[in-house]
Amino acid sequence: LAKTTQPISMDSYEGQEVNITCSHNNIATNDYITWYQQFPSQGPRFIIQGYKTKVTNEVASLFIPADRKSSTLSLPRVSLSDTAVYYCLVGENDYKLSFGAGTTVTVRA
Amino acid sequence: EAGVTQFPSHSVIEKGQTVTLRCDPISGHDNLYWYRRVMGKEIKFLLHFVKESKQDESGMPNNRFLAERTGGTYSTLKVQPAELEDSGVYFCASSFGLAGVYEQYFGPGTRLTVT
Repeated sequence: LAKTTQPISMDSYEGQEVNITCSHNNIATNDYITWYQQFPSQGPRFIIQGYKTKVTNEVASLFIPADRKSSTLSLPRVSLSDTAVYYCLVGENDYKLSFGAGTTVTVRA
Repeated sequence: EAGVTQFPSHSVIEKGQTVTLRCDPISGHDNLYWYRRVMGKEIKFLLHFVKESKQDESGMPNNRFLAERTGGTYSTLKVQPAELEDSGVYFCASSFGLAGVYEQYFGPGTRLTVT
């Protein structure tokens, strides 16, 4: 599994866009990039997955440059309820999810 | 559609006692996984079932942990005897298949405290 590096924490305000960048320099050809979100006292929740370029869904966008050595999760117009830990996972579609420390995003009013 | 449920939500036991955690996956999900986060550490994979068969239990810490999934529906994770270092949050997850397997659906977890 590719090692990932992401910021420990980020602060934002309601209505702003939050961008979390994850570095994965040793990503392999068959690896996908996946992001999970975890609220306090809950299990992680799948947000988005991509292989290259850009993926968008109703929750977030995922930007992946051509070299795929990093990726950026973009949360548009965050609200207080987006306060959570966000995990970047990189690997071939494997059942063993490997969670790092994640990024704690705190949204303030 | 009901999500993954886990029981109990909290359990406090003494060292040496036995505890059994239960997980009910989403109906129709053949794949079931157990993970745990011990204090101050990251969430770690414990094992994976496909229906009633254990596919991978490489993450199980030792033989004090026993997971079962009789009939391929709900699963139990027994810790016997419990030790202090077993304290943490135990998550169960399920997925429909191995295609797009990263989309695992997690339960809320069981917080286990061993005193």
